[in-house]
Amino acid sequence: EAQVTQNPRYLITVTGKKLTVTCSQNMNHEYMSWYRQDPGLGLRQIYYSMNVEVTDKGDVPEGYKVSRKEKRNFPLILESPSPNQTSLYFCASSRLAGGPGTGELFFGEGSRLTVL
Amino acid sequence: LAKTTQPISMDSYEGQEVNITCSHNNIATNDYITWYQQFPSQGPRFIIQGYKTKVTNEVASLFIPADRKSSTLSLPRVSLSDTAVYYCLVGDIPDTGRRALTFGSGTRLQVQP
Repeated sequence: EAQVTQNPRYLITVTGKKLTVTCSQNMNHEYMSWYRQDPGLGLRQIYYSMNVEVTDKGDVPEGYKVSRKEKRNFPLILESPSPNQTSLYFCASSRLAGGPGTGELFFGEGSRLTVL
Repeated sequence: LAKTTQPISMDSYEGQEVNITCSHNNIATNDYITWYQQFPSQGPRFIIQGYKTKVTNEVASLFIPADRKSSTLSLPRVSLSDTAVYYCLVGDIPDTGRRALTFGSGTRLQVQP
């Protein structure tokens, strides 16, 4: 089954304690991306990756890091979490081949993070 | 980046047609328009995508005028299960110039019996 898997789904942590949210896709997609979702603000892109070792900032990258060492994995790293990073996080992936307009995003189920 | 504007919420009744409009005044030549549906505590799900004129699939239609500064998602004969948040997304992943994809704030559709 084609899917994007995120872990953990729920996490409560404390300020300053480094954490990593993993994302894995089994569709051999080149493109992967992280979003955060906050009430009233919709989905905001944090980072994205066009392929292995190619990453770039989205709209709200401050306080986050990413890496893309393997095609299937795109972990989101919070080096020193703060309460304003309390949010619902989504990972998404898409293929690039097939020409323009074929970039349907496949989303994971989300990771709800609370930073105390 | 192309900013999108949608109504915050809409109400409808079962069996009615619902039209949700998205404004994207600074859409770029290479940008496509994509709509996603999101249920509570789930990731968004692709509904439909288009570049210009009209696109129709089994669940929705997408109308895009010639100037492409707006688009309208049309849901025929909605049911209670269509209650969700609908997002308009402007951009294109394969585009070599801009790769960040910006979602709008979404439109919360409430379907009543």
